[in-house]
Amino acid sequence: GENVEQHPSTLSVQEGDSAVIKCTYSDSASNYFPWYKQELGKRPQLIIDIRSNVGEKKDQRIAVTLNKTAKHFSLHITETQPEDSAVYFCAASVSGTYKYIFGTGTRLKVLA
Amino acid sequence: DGGITQSPKYLFRKEGQNVTLSCEQNLNHDAMYWYRQDPGQGLRLIYYSQIVNDFQKGDIAEGYSVSREKKESFPLTVTSAQKNPTAFYLCASSTSGGTGELFFGEGSRLTVL
Repeated sequence: GENVEQHPSTLSVQEGDSAVIKCTYSDSASNYFPWYKQELGKRPQLIIDIRSNVGEKKDQRIAVTLNKTAKHFSLHITETQPEDSAVYFCAASVSGTYKYIFGTGTRLKVLA
Repeated sequence: DGGITQSPKYLFRKEGQNVTLSCEQNLNHDAMYWYRQDPGQGLRLIYYSQIVNDFQKGDIAEGYSVSREKKESFPLTVTSAQKNPTAFYLCASSTSGGTGELFFGEGSRLTVL
């Protein structure tokens, strides 16, 4: 079945450093790849997404890259700040359905 | 104020009892979803619905049931057949299922005593 693997499960960085979270997906026909941020006790919220016809997308300090050949996509956060501390989930659409499959999450801690 | 409302926020249930979690949206979205969140396991899809009167099983549907009688409502029933029901349940909706943003509710935490 469809699967999304996410690494690492936890990540600690110093404030101001960069953070990278990586995901791989199994459905080669997936065409939509969102990233969600979930702060403690809150609902997940979309922070950035990318579609299969684009290789990279940026929004201020965050960026997502997609390698369709390798079926990899990554989240990059630059100049990390304490408020970036949260759990981040990647997801991939399942072709021909309304389904989204999520990765297992990465707990990011930004150390002041 | 548009959004998704889940209730109750916290629910306690005795073993052997069924419980229904409510999910209402006023975003006029066609697609609605139920996910279960457990520590270290991400968000796992229980059921989803593309339109009124239609729904499909997700990856972990056993022990759960849903209905979609109205566009704005997608209640989830956790039955006594669900072997490990204690979890955090998230409802979501999307205007373009499979290709657009998921909007999540605040979640319902179910604890089986």
